[in-house]
Amino acid sequence: NAGVTQTPKFQVLKTGQSMTLQCAQDMNHEYMSWYRQDPGMGLRLIHYSVGAGITDQGEVPNGYNVSRSTTEDFPLRLLSAAPSQTSVYFCASSYTQENTGELFFGEGSRLTVL
Amino acid sequence: QQPVQSPQAVILREGEDAVINCSSSKALYSVHWYRQKHGEAPVFLMILLKGGEQKGHEKISASFNEKKQQSSLYLTASQLSYSGTYFCGTDRIIQGAQKLVFGQGTRLTINP
Repeated sequence: NAGVTQTPKFQVLKTGQSMTLQCAQDMNHEYMSWYRQDPGMGLRLIHYSVGAGITDQGEVPNGYNVSRSTTEDFPLRLLSAAPSQTSVYFCASSYTQENTGELFFGEGSRLTVL
Repeated sequence: QQPVQSPQAVILREGEDAVINCSSSKALYSVHWYRQKHGEAPVFLMILLKGGEQKGHEKISASFNEKKQQSSLYLTASQLSYSGTYFCGTDRIIQGAQKLVFGQGTRLTINP
């Protein structure tokens, strides 16, 4: 049972480049989300999904796109990377879309934009 | 708006107790607590639901005061393994849906 798997673990981009951070979970969780973590800012919600075909914006969605074609996968796309997007990104999933469920986090993806 | 945690950092000797506070300017329905060790993912500790219930996890417990819109995490007889950054998460309405928003974190260092 792998849990939540994120790839890549590390990535360096130049300003303006695009990339996709992958997230997959094997726990049949309906709820999946992406957070970014910056020093002193805690974890901030970027986008989330309550099931296949359903996505919505979180606190800091600008500059990011998501899609959810299957229950298992929830990729995060940066269309034109900016230095302000340098951060550690965490994908998390939960059995329930209500706020009574434990969030399971992936190991994180460290992104640097030059 | 994020919940506010205090203190931002605390240093203890092994065996000492610590309290981490989490407060919100808005009414709370639930509070989550997570611990993150350096370079690792956050790990779930506990959830407290509306009703003032106090929960425990080994020697770590927490309380939830709805009227004061705050929660406190209590670490008793701290162990070296308790070191890390602790985050509280509270409810916010984002895009019409109730979602979990985290505080800025409290860094706990336990020294031998």
